[in-house]
Amino acid sequence: DIQMTQSPSSLSASVGDRVTITCRASQSISSYLNWYQQKPGKAPKLLIYAASSLQSGVPSRFSGSGSGTDFTLTISSLQPEDFATYYCQQSGMYTFGQGTKLEIK
Amino acid sequence: EVQLVESGGGLVQPGGSLRLSCAASGFTFSSYEMNWVRQAPGKGLEWVSYISSSGSTIYYADSVKGRFTISRDNAKNSLYLQMNSLRAEDTAVYYCAREGVIGAANWFDPWGQGTLVTVSS
Repeated sequence: DIQMTQSPSSLSASVGDRVTITCRASQSISSYLNWYQQKPGKAPKLLIYAASSLQSGVPSRFSGSGSGTDFTLTISSLQPEDFATYYCQQSGMYTFGQGTKLEIK
Repeated sequence: EVQLVESGGGLVQPGGSLRLSCAASGFTFSSYEMNWVRQAPGKGLEWVSYISSSGSTIYYADSVKGRFTISRDNAKNSLYLQMNSLRAEDTAVYYCAREGVIGAANWFDPWGQGTLVTVSS
C-alpha cells in the first residue's frame, strides 16, 4: 500500500506569511495528488486536485506543485480564514496524509 | 446547489448495526461515483468505501471489509452504508463524498456535513 506522509504535522505562522506544506508518497503516484482544508467541526473542502489544479472558487493564494513522490501546498499570503488542518490524498487508493495543523503564531 | 446530507448516526453497542444514508441533490446522482470517509475523534481522515455510478463496482478499506456494505438507489438519489458488527474503533464522523474524475485523476468534492457514529456500551 502507498503511504502518504505530511510535514510538518503542525505549523505556527502569522497573517501575511508564505507557508509551504509537504506531502511525500512512499512510491510514485505521478500527479495523482489532492489537497483538502478542514476547519474544526466542518467537512473537508477540496483545494487542489491533480497536484496543481485549483478547484473552482478557491482563492489564488493557494497553489500546489510536484509529481512522482514529492508534493507541496503553498499559501502565498496567509489570511485569518486559512488557519485550519490540511490533508493530502493520493487518488488511486484514496489514502490520506496524517494532516498538518496550521495555527496562528 | 450541489448538496449531500448524511443521516442515521447515533449511539450503538459493540456488535450492533447501523445504517447510514446520504441524500444527494443539485446534480445528476446516477452519473457520479460516491464514497464514504470517516474521521475518528481528534484523528485524521480514513477512506471507508467506494461505489461506482451504477453500483456494479465496490471497494472497501481492509478495516471494514466483511462488516460494512455500501449501496445506492439512483432512483432515490441516495447512498447508503450498512454497518454491522460494530466495534469501538468504528466510532467516528462519517462523511459521504462525491467523486470527481478527469482521466486517471480523481478527488472528493463536495462532502456532506457528516454524521456521528458512537460505538459504546
